[in-house]
Amino acid sequence: QVQLVESGGGLVKPGGSLRLSCAASGFSFSDYYMSWIRQAPGKGLEWVSYITSSGTTIYYADSVKGRFTISRDNAQSSLYLQMNSLRAEDTALYYCARHGTSGAFEIWGQGTMVTVSS
Amino acid sequence: DIVMTQSPDSLAVSLGERATINCKSSQSVLSSSNNKNYLTWYQQKPGQPPKVLIYWASTRESGVPDRFSGSGSRTDFTLTISSLQAEDVAVYYCQQYYSYPRTFGQGTKVEIK
Repeated sequence: QVQLVESGGGLVKPGGSLRLSCAASGFSFSDYYMSWIRQAPGKGLEWVSYITSSGTTIYYADSVKGRFTISRDNAQSSLYLQMNSLRAEDTALYYCARHGTSGAFEIWGQGTMVTVSS
Repeated sequence: DIVMTQSPDSLAVSLGERATINCKSSQSVLSSSNNKNYLTWYQQKPGQPPKVLIYWASTRESGVPDRFSGSGSRTDFTLTISSLQAEDVAVYYCQQYYSYPRTFGQGTKVEIK
């Protein structure tokens, strides 16, 4: 079935780095735009970054611009988020999501937790 | 950036009664090219990722019960649950996909009275 599985989260000190991965299965990954969305504990949803199917167009939220890098490997059906210069406010559950033809986030993974703390 | 504001922040409704959630965008999300509103509604239950209920402001996602309906245009939108069921207890979010950055409302928590 259609599935997204995130991994790579963990506890990291402020200023540290992490690389999140999202493994896609059950669909033709290379056909779809993808995004990362995060949710701080007990808080709402915040879109983080977007990448087109070919990887040629990328957008970031201002809160992560210059620190995070989104990428994808269509041959491996995988999406990535390289997170550098992490701050306490980056602490959140990070979801990867597939864009539907409408543009809504139609498929979500279960998320991977990132905690930034000394 | 388009700011999305939901009201109320929470509401408690009796089983079988109607629940109404409002969402207001700081600018129109209606496209003049296709006359579609770029607005979606999600349902998030505890410990689960969000799930699409409605897209294009009023199109129900496949498999979503017909007690869920979306309405509105331009800057003002409504999600209605016509007859609240126990399994509808969740937080509901609106989101615009008219422009980047994609933005969400702050969420509305729906509980049983």
